[in-house]
Amino acid sequence: DTAVSQTPKYLVTQMGNDKSIKCEQNLGHDTMYWYKQDSKKFLKIMFSYNNKELIINETVPNRFSPKSPDKAHLNLHINSLELGDSAVYFCASRRAGTSGGVSDTQYFGPGTRLTVL
Amino acid sequence: DAKTTQPPSMDCAEGRAANLPCNHSTISGNEYVYWYRQIHSQGPQYIIHGLKNNETNEMASLIITEDRKSSTLILPHATLRDTAVYYCIVRGRGKLIFGQGTELSVKP
Repeated sequence: DTAVSQTPKYLVTQMGNDKSIKCEQNLGHDTMYWYKQDSKKFLKIMFSYNNKELIINETVPNRFSPKSPDKAHLNLHINSLELGDSAVYFCASRRAGTSGGVSDTQYFGPGTRLTVL
Repeated sequence: DAKTTQPPSMDCAEGRAANLPCNHSTISGNEYVYWYRQIHSQGPQYIIHGLKNNETNEMASLIITEDRKSSTLILPHATLRDTAVYYCIVRGRGKLIFGQGTELSVKP
């Protein structure tokens, strides 16, 4: 069973379109994340949700809107796609708990490669 | 958030131990050191973490210096499948901050 899954795996679209990436985790975790990995391979956190509530929102354009229908899902909707949005997007989850230790271990999905033409 | 410094790349012969260093001189007393790796085109994978004591699991060992300013990840018998980018992270405020990592190439 896949712990953290993302769909689609690949997404190719035109500039200006609106698209969504879905993420699901079956680990029973409370906290989920979206990361972006650009062409230079730097991984940067974008958002974090804890029990459907937004807790981390890094400096991300408001064209990006995360949506958490329940604590097992965190979807990422992107409006008016731009060339610079091309990247690999990773979803991750962790069990909420006290700082440090095992509870901070994050489990990552396989990634969604977004290409904007 | 404490910053980490790692060499950009390392080579290791298959079957030998791979020792990956990490400096984190500004680490604070309650911050853990985490290691993740990213095999090409896959999501990052948790390896191990520690606070003060040395740690070992089925994947690797983590040696943390007594002053906690540096650590070393040890893969005892590297295989070709261990070729990946290895990230040393000091956890800060609920988020993982990934640096450039060390690109480990295991060669036959």
